[in-house]
Amino acid sequence: QKEVEQDPGPLSVPEGAIVSLNCTYSNSAFQYFMWYRQYSRKGPELLMYTYSSGNKEDGRFTAQVDKSSKYISLFIRDSQPSDSATYLCAMKEGGANSKLTFGKGITLSVRP
Amino acid sequence: DGGITQSPKYLFRKEGQNVTLSCEQNLNHDAMYWYRQDPGQGLRLIYYSQIVNDFQKGDIAEGYSVSREKKESFPLTVTSAQKNPTAFYLCASSFGSATAYEQYFGPGTRLTVT
Repeated sequence: QKEVEQDPGPLSVPEGAIVSLNCTYSNSAFQYFMWYRQYSRKGPELLMYTYSSGNKEDGRFTAQVDKSSKYISLFIRDSQPSDSATYLCAMKEGGANSKLTFGKGITLSVRP
Repeated sequence: DGGITQSPKYLFRKEGQNVTLSCEQNLNHDAMYWYRQDPGQGLRLIYYSQIVNDFQKGDIAEGYSVSREKKESFPLTVTSAQKNPTAFYLCASSFGSATAYEQYFGPGTRLTVT
């Protein structure tokens, strides 16, 4: 089993839909949970991060972490065509370990 | 403007040749990273450096080499020993290991080896 599993997609939704993106993981030492957004032919950019369990909201985006189930989610409300991108989950252990472990990414297309 | 630059954007090489990819940052970050991205594979860590003159192998270091002589620069050499070098290469940086969850990425270099 890979350390981080992400739904492969691709995913296509109409404008205004609520989008749910998910990742599962097996390493219980992960403490930081991130979502990166990558537009076509560009480098990824950090969208949201959460430390340990809980929810975090930023505008139309909500990140959710359930450490007991080893499951994280990103919700996008009122999705827009500009949200069309590849979304990568990433995770990190605490302490001095600086390595991130990424999911494979899911490509989202929001249709006008 | 602060950021990470990678050059060139596209690179073509013949099989058997070594090639060096450039990565420069002016963010005053201590840590720098090299990733490889293949379709359906996500990002895989090649090498990372937390401080000048020190670097560690990532998950797929075979066939690659790096140097970190200056804080701002972290070049990656793809050697002829790398069996499948064609890929999209991304350089990133962060303030340090404690804040490594927030990595800033460059625009990438797409390497094609024929």
